[in-house]
Amino acid sequence: DAKTTQPPSMDCAEGRAANLPCNHSTISGNEYVYWYRQIHSQGPQYIIHGLKNNETNEMASLIITEDRKSSTLILPHATLRDTAVYYCIVRVYNDYKLSFGAGTTVTVRA
Amino acid sequence: EPEVTQTPSHQVTQMGQEVILRCVPISNHLYFYWYRQILGQKVEFLVSFYNNEISEKSEIFDDQFSVERPDGSNFTLKIRSTKLEDSAMYFCASSSTNNYGYTFGSGTRLTVV
Repeated sequence: DAKTTQPPSMDCAEGRAANLPCNHSTISGNEYVYWYRQIHSQGPQYIIHGLKNNETNEMASLIITEDRKSSTLILPHATLRDTAVYYCIVRVYNDYKLSFGAGTTVTVRA
Repeated sequence: EPEVTQTPSHQVTQMGQEVILRCVPISNHLYFYWYRQILGQKVEFLVSFYNNEISEKSEIFDDQFSVERPDGSNFTLKIRSTKLEDSAMYFCASSSTNNYGYTFGSGTRLTVV
């Protein structure tokens, strides 16, 4: 029941911005877009979430298209420590569970 | 920064034995969760817990599984009679509200032999 589509992998140069796309063409009006990442075998780490407006925090920016059918997570200055699997998750507001897909494996290269 | 603490980090158990995985959520959080990740596979939701009761559970969370918040700080996952296929990383998570981001622990690697 995958609601999002992400590229399986991407490379990024250290110090450059990493732009991670996510397609969620069937998103409903009450569904938020969440981004998490998982470094090696550690627990997933929350990055950011949004409904329809662009969001920014100390880790990343989230750009959601006007029709809400896709979004982009931007890591402004990627470092080697940002190498991880990044998950884009669509979730109904106040739903209890997160449904993780396969995510995008991002490799930051020096 | 506040953390979710899980113990033990590794546990090896015999098939058919009971195991209890322990978690200390962030102190002012109200929502608690267990997820698992079989090696090489996706992270899967097991159960959510709020207001001293299960709020949602997945089909994985059958009668062999139970959760408990025995005191004000611990949150435990019990597997009554472990099977080989229960071998996985088990992650505990907590959140202050249900729609904000969760904080996950580092996980317990359970190996059933």
